Amino acid sequence: GAGVSQSPRYKVAKRGQDVALRCDPISGHVSLFWYQQALGQGPEFLTYFQNEAQLDKSGLPSDRFFAERPEGSVSTLKIQRTQQEDSAVYLCASSPLTIHNEQFFGPGTRLTVL
Amino acid sequence: GNSVTQMEGPVTLSEEAFLTINCTYTATGYPSLFWYVQYPGEGLQLLLKATKADDKGSNKGFEATYRKETTSFHLEKGSVQVSDSAVYFCAYPSSGTYKYIFGTGTRLKVLA
Repeated sequence: GAGVSQSPRYKVAKRGQDVALRCDPISGHVSLFWYQQALGQGPEFLTYFQNEAQLDKSGLPSDRFFAERPEGSVSTLKIQRTQQEDSAVYLCASSPLTIHNEQFFGPGTRLTVL
Repeated sequence: GNSVTQMEGPVTLSEEAFLTINCTYTATGYPSLFWYVQYPGEGLQLLLKATKADDKGSNKGFEATYRKETTSFHLEKGSVQVSDSAVYFCAYPSSGTYKYIFGTGTRLKVLA
């Protein structure tokens, strides 16, 4: 079956632009996660949804970052007024259970801010 | 605090060589432990896992044993292949939650 998909795969933005990154989780997965992976580093947690509810956004680095999952399936991570330090790969993952075990990851969106 | 320490890469091996990638963790209690693999241009894939102490996870010839005494989960493979070239991440869920703590990753390059 289809895995987690993300779009776009690559995004180049000028500093100050707003960007929107999309995640399509595996159908029926209750939980959805966003991670940020800087070059040469492991992924770092950004935010977590259980269905449409955003239960944890403690990892979002600033109020320029906003995520939503309005119908409990597709999610969008929005970054306003992008800065160079926002350049990273943004990973989305989903999980079928509310008690979490394995997370299934998408291929990521590589964001480059010039 | 919670953390994962992996051996630094890159690790370069010849085909059929033995592989060890060290991973140690600092955590409260005894969380499940995971190894994820990231092939070039792809997302992270679960390679193997262990849910309690002394468990051995295995997949595709890779193995790792959950050692609570040494808080380690080292990844091993007896004979690597060129297709194993990837970045390997050790991880666990922080305090039994959904927040995975990842190591920095170890890049493996296998030469034919």
